Amino acid sequence: KAGVTQTPRYLIKTRGQQVTLSCSPISGHRSVSWYQQTPGQGLQFLFEYFSETQRNKGNFPGRFSGRQFSNSRSEMNVSTLELGDSALYLCASSLGGTPADNEQYFGPGTRLTVT
Amino acid sequence: DQQVKQNSPSLSVQEGRISILNCDYTNSMFDYFLWYKKYPAEGPTFLISISSIKDKNEDGRFTVFLNKSAKHLSLHIVPSQPGDSAVYFCAAILGGTSYGKLTFGQGTILTVHP
Repeated sequence: KAGVTQTPRYLIKTRGQQVTLSCSPISGHRSVSWYQQTPGQGLQFLFEYFSETQRNKGNFPGRFSGRQFSNSRSEMNVSTLELGDSALYLCASSLGGTPADNEQYFGPGTRLTVT
Repeated sequence: DQQVKQNSPSLSVQEGRISILNCDYTNSMFDYFLWYKKYPAEGPTFLISISSIKDKNEDGRFTVFLNKSAKHLSLHIVPSQPGDSAVYFCAAILGGTSYGKLTFGQGTILTVHP
């Protein structure tokens, strides 16, 4: 079974631009979660989508948004990029039911650099 | 507010010996706990998990222990191998509709020396 895939793997953007990251979950997984990893803050939860609905949201500004499609693929968008948005963005998928079904499997991440 | 804490930034162990990684949490409503291993520039890899109704779960060389009264969990790796060298994260899940949100500790860098 194929794992979680994320595209692109690397991205360089300029401050003020916007960016869209894509995530394809493991087949059969209905939940997709997004995380930001930075050296100072560690792994921080952004949001989770389950069956095309945002089910959970972390403490990030409204510039960070996402969506999920009917095939469970998900996109994350960051508008008006700031230097501090430079990070590794990780997507994880899970079955999304009981706690055991929420063992999340991560993709390789997208490394975003904002200059 | 750091609800999941890994107080040891690093741990160094000799090959063949036991590695013990520790994690403390503050929220008694956490329902499920997981351990992940992460290499640089890669996503975390799921290792093992434990429900809050259990106190031990074992999978091969990995065993996780949960002490709910102390709000403490630990990951034991026996025997340790050089390939285990990585950053280890513990994570916790609240119950109910928060299942999709993992709260991570800051990580512990494990180095296993040959």
